[in-house]
Amino acid sequence: DTAVSQTPKYLVTQMGNDKSIKCEQNLGHDTMYWYKQDSKKFLKIMFSYNNKELIINETVPNRFSPKSPDKAHLNLHINSLELGDSAVYFCASSLGRVNSPLHFGNGTRLTVT
Amino acid sequence: QQQVKQSPQSLIVQKGGIPIINCAYENTAFDYFPWYQQFPGKGPALLIAIRPDVSEKKEGRFTISFNKSAKQFSLHIMDSQPGDSATYFCAASTSGTYKYIFGTGTRLKVLA
Repeated sequence: DTAVSQTPKYLVTQMGNDKSIKCEQNLGHDTMYWYKQDSKKFLKIMFSYNNKELIINETVPNRFSPKSPDKAHLNLHINSLELGDSAVYFCASSLGRVNSPLHFGNGTRLTVT
Repeated sequence: QQQVKQSPQSLIVQKGGIPIINCAYENTAFDYFPWYQQFPGKGPALLIAIRPDVSEKKEGRFTISFNKSAKQFSLHIMDSQPGDSATYFCAASTSGTYKYIFGTGTRLKVLA
């Protein structure tokens, strides 16, 4: 049973295209996140939703738009893709209470050509 | 102030050795310090975590040492094995913020 699952695992697309990444968790968590991991392995938070409400919105270009239809799902839509968007995007979830550990998906490797 | 500085960037040890990874922070509001282990092609997974009211925590072969006054914490891996070869991240968070700040990662290789 996959706890946090992301699709697709790989995404190769051209500059200027629009793409979406989907995430689902079956852990019963109420908080979900998007993290970006660049080629140097830096992990940086992008967004967080708690009970479908946006609670963290880091300095991310507005070409990136998250959507949380319910507590178990968090999607990421990216418009007008740029070369610099190439990275691995991780979805994560947690219980949202204080100091609850993050559970990560296996990532979506996005390559923009 | 929001940064967590991690060192070394990479580490190679022989099997049975004790690799040590260090992290330092500035924000005294941080009150939870987890370590994550990441294998290639996988997401990071929680390894062990500590709160600042404890100076040491041990789980199996993994030990966190915490020095509140120095604002530093470190991960020790006892009797390291080739299967421990992975990238390790320290992190820090503050209660109620939902935000984890990650260190820059340490790529560990344990030679057989």
